[in-house]
Amino acid sequence: GQNIDQPTEMTATEGAIVQINCTYQTSGFNGLFWYQQHAGEAPTFLSYNVLDGLEEKGRFSSFLSRSKGYSYLLLKELQMKDSASYLCAPMDSNYQLIWGAGTKLIIKP
Amino acid sequence: GAVVSQHPSRVICKSGTSVKIECRSLDFQATTMFWYRQFPKKSLMLMATSNEGSKATYEQGVEKDKFLINHASLTLSTLTVTSAHPEDSSFYICSARVPYSGNTIYFGEGSWLTVV
Repeated sequence: GQNIDQPTEMTATEGAIVQINCTYQTSGFNGLFWYQQHAGEAPTFLSYNVLDGLEEKGRFSSFLSRSKGYSYLLLKELQMKDSASYLCAPMDSNYQLIWGAGTKLIIKP
Repeated sequence: GAVVSQHPSRVICKSGTSVKIECRSLDFQATTMFWYRQFPKKSLMLMATSNEGSKATYEQGVEKDKFLINHASLTLSTLTVTSAHPEDSSFYICSARVPYSGNTIYFGEGSWLTVV
């Protein structure tokens, strides 16, 4: 079957760094997406990894290891506005995104 | 700026009536759009894949006659919730794959439907 495993909830301090891990199993693989979703809003695109390695984009970086079925999202210099759910979504062989429940990140002052 | 636009953002309708939600791709042609629904604190659930010029592909358990999808042009897909009931109240979100951006998929702003 296809599944996503992410922590349900994480807490971090403003200004700190947090890493959100994601392991996945899919039928085929066409890359992995990370989305941010604030409560009551639609997801917004953060990153897309199709090859192994680290992709850096400002305060956010995303890493992928296809052989391990593993990815992480790294958030630096955390701000209060980063409090949101973070969704790891691999794309299967049919180009469908597979969704889990995401990780709720709580930022404390 | 937004690449996928959804309208309305919020709608309240009476039980038994129908409501239409629009999803537009901005500045690009979307041959395929996706419709999701999401209940509070739950994961996104794919309802159907909308294909321009052909019938939508519905996920198992989604009623085709209740959730009508029309993708008549390359920039517009619509979801019509027919004979709405309170249990249809949910957050409905569309998405589209942007051409020439790899497989990047962007979401519309979402539509909150409340059936009273």
